[in-house]
Amino acid sequence: AQKITQTQPGMFVQEKEAVTLDCTYDTSDQSYGLFWYKQPSSGEMIFLIYQGSYDEQNATEGRYSLNFQKARKSANLVISASQLGDSAMYFCAMRGSIGNQFYFGTGTSLTVIP
Amino acid sequence: NAGVTQTPKFQVLKTGQSMTLQCAQDMNHEYMSWYRQDPGMGLRLIHYSVGAGITDQGEVPNGYNVSRSTTEDFPLRLLSAAPSQTSVYFCASSYGTGRTEAFFGQGTRLTVV
Repeated sequence: AQKITQTQPGMFVQEKEAVTLDCTYDTSDQSYGLFWYKQPSSGEMIFLIYQGSYDEQNATEGRYSLNFQKARKSANLVISASQLGDSAMYFCAMRGSIGNQFYFGTGTSLTVIP
Repeated sequence: NAGVTQTPKFQVLKTGQSMTLQCAQDMNHEYMSWYRQDPGMGLRLIHYSVGAGITDQGEVPNGYNVSRSTTEDFPLRLLSAAPSQTSVYFCASSYGTGRTEAFFGQGTRLTVV
C-alpha cells in the first residue's frame, strides 16, 4: 500500500526567507511519481512540481524545488524567497505504477509573515 | 479551456437524501477520480476510473457509487446521505500513466444535516 506522511501540520516563515516542507512516503512500487500541490484559501488545487522516481536530478520550478532523497523515501518541497501569496495548504502526493492512483498526505499549512 | 468542471459548488442535503455530484473533463484523460477532503485528513480517494466502463474503489468507497459511461464524465452518487459525508469533494483527471499531474475541479462543499 502507498502512504504519504507530512508531519508538519503548520509552519511559519518570514517573508523573503526559504522554507522546507517535509514529505516522506512508503511504497513497494519501483516506478512512481511524487507531486506537490498548493491549496490557497479559495480552495482550488494547484500543481506545483513533479519528481519521478528514476529522475537523477532534483526537480525545480521557479522558486520551488524538490529535495528528493530516494533511499530515505523523502521528497521535501523547498520554497525560496517566500512571498505573502505563498500562504496556503501544501499537499504532497504520490502516484504509483500499479493502478495509477494518486495518494495524498494530510497537508502542511504554511503562513508567510510580513 | 474548461479543464475539469464540477457541479454544484455548494449543496445542503438532509440525512437520507440522495444526490449526484457531476464531473466532466474536456482533456481526453483516461484516468478520473473522486476525493473527499476533511480537516486534518488530507484528500482521501473514494473511487477512480482508468477508462470508460472501468471503475474501482479507493480508500473510502462506502456510501458512494460511480459509473463511467463516457471518457468525459464521471459522476459520484451519494445513495443515502449521512452527516459523516459532510465534506469537500474534488474530482480529478489525468492521463493514464507517466509524468502527468492530476487536474482538479473547483470542489463541491457538501453539508448533510
